[in-house]
Amino acid sequence: EVQLVQSGPEVKKPGESLRISCQGAAYYFSTHWIGWVRQMPGKGLEWMGMIYASDSSIEYNPSFQGQVTISADTSISTAYLHWSGLRASDTATYFCARVNAYGVFDYWGQGTPVTASS
Amino acid sequence: DIQLTQSPSFLSASVGDRVTITCRASQGISSYLAWYQQKPGRAPTLLIYAASKLQGGVPSRFSGSGSGTQFTLTITGLQPEDFGTYSCQQVYGYPRTFGQGTKVDIK
Repeated sequence: EVQLVQSGPEVKKPGESLRISCQGAAYYFSTHWIGWVRQMPGKGLEWMGMIYASDSSIEYNPSFQGQVTISADTSISTAYLHWSGLRASDTATYFCARVNAYGVFDYWGQGTPVTASS
Repeated sequence: DIQLTQSPSFLSASVGDRVTITCRASQGISSYLAWYQQKPGRAPTLLIYAASKLQGGVPSRFSGSGSGTQFTLTITGLQPEDFGTYSCQQVYGYPRTFGQGTKVDIK
């Protein structure tokens, strides 16, 4: 069964760097786009961007471009979301999800809660 | 960006009811629309893609319709396990966008 397994909860201080991960299993990781979605506490879903691991093509939401970096390592079937300097407003749960042939998210990771607080 | 507006934002219905949620796009998106269900503390799950295609394993009481700018998700015969928040997503243009969500409560 297709699975996306995300790294665990993170608590950081504003200004610190952070990288969270999303490892795919039971499918060909390189042949699918992987997307990232933010959900702030009590709020809706926000599409951040996605990466096609085989050639590192990336589509960013302009609202997030420059704030985060999306990357992937096909050798370990893992996608990453990186912040060079967290802000308190980055406190949220972040989901990764696989994009299917219709362009929608058919499999989701369990979510990684990130708290940025002094 | 393509804006998606869902209505209502909240609804409360009884088991067995027929429930309809609407998603309106700010411009035409053909049939490039998906619906997701999300329960508290859990990741969303895909219900409907391409506006009306049922994702495998999803009960047939869920159905989707529409094209262009107006879409609906219908639950025919609401079940207790159908509580949660339902969100639409367009995959016609970049950036992809979601509706604000519709919270469904079981009376």
